[in-house]
Amino acid sequence: KAGVTQTPRYLIKTRGQQVTLSCSPISGHRSVSWYQQTPGQGLQFLFEYFSETQRNKGNFPGRFSGRQFSNSRSEMNVSTLELGDSALYLCASSFGGTSGGALHEQFFGPGTRLTVL
Amino acid sequence: QKEVEQNSGPLSVPEGAIASLNCTYSDRGSQSFFWYRQYSGKSPELIMSIYSNGDKEDGRFTAQLNKASQYVSLLIRDSQPSDSATYLCAVRTNAGKSTFGDGTTLTVKP
Repeated sequence: KAGVTQTPRYLIKTRGQQVTLSCSPISGHRSVSWYQQTPGQGLQFLFEYFSETQRNKGNFPGRFSGRQFSNSRSEMNVSTLELGDSALYLCASSFGGTSGGALHEQFFGPGTRLTVL
Repeated sequence: QKEVEQNSGPLSVPEGAIASLNCTYSDRGSQSFFWYRQYSGKSPELIMSIYSNGDKEDGRFTAQLNKASQYVSLLIRDSQPSDSATYLCAVRTNAGKSTFGDGTTLTVKP
């Protein structure tokens, strides 16, 4: 079974630009979560989508947004990029659902390394 | 107080020893607990999950959960140099939010 894929793998942008990152989950997984990882802040939760609905959101400004499509693929958008947005953006998929346990075991993609100049 | 706290590390153990990684969490409503391993330059990979109080063993790995003490740990027996990585503790609350600790870096010396 194919794993989680993320595109692009690397991205260089300048301040003020916007960027869209894409994530394709494992087949059958309906939940996609996005995380930002930086050396100083660790792994920070951005948001989770399940069945095209945002189910949870972390403490990030409104410049960070996302969406999920009917095939469970997800995109994350960052507008008006700032230098501090330079990070590794990770997406993770799981079966999701309202029950707990193994349904929420997350499998991560390889990440998109974003550099803002 | 951070929602999920881990040993500050780094942790160094000799090959063949037991490595003990600890994690505490603040939300008593948390129900699902996960350990991920992250090699340098790679993304996290799930190695253990635990949902009930007690121990859960998988090969050389044992996860321990104590909900009353809000504590979860990971023991790695017969540590190998290939176990050298950063270990992340993750907690999922009833509200559905997943929070990761900052990680503990483990080095296993041959």
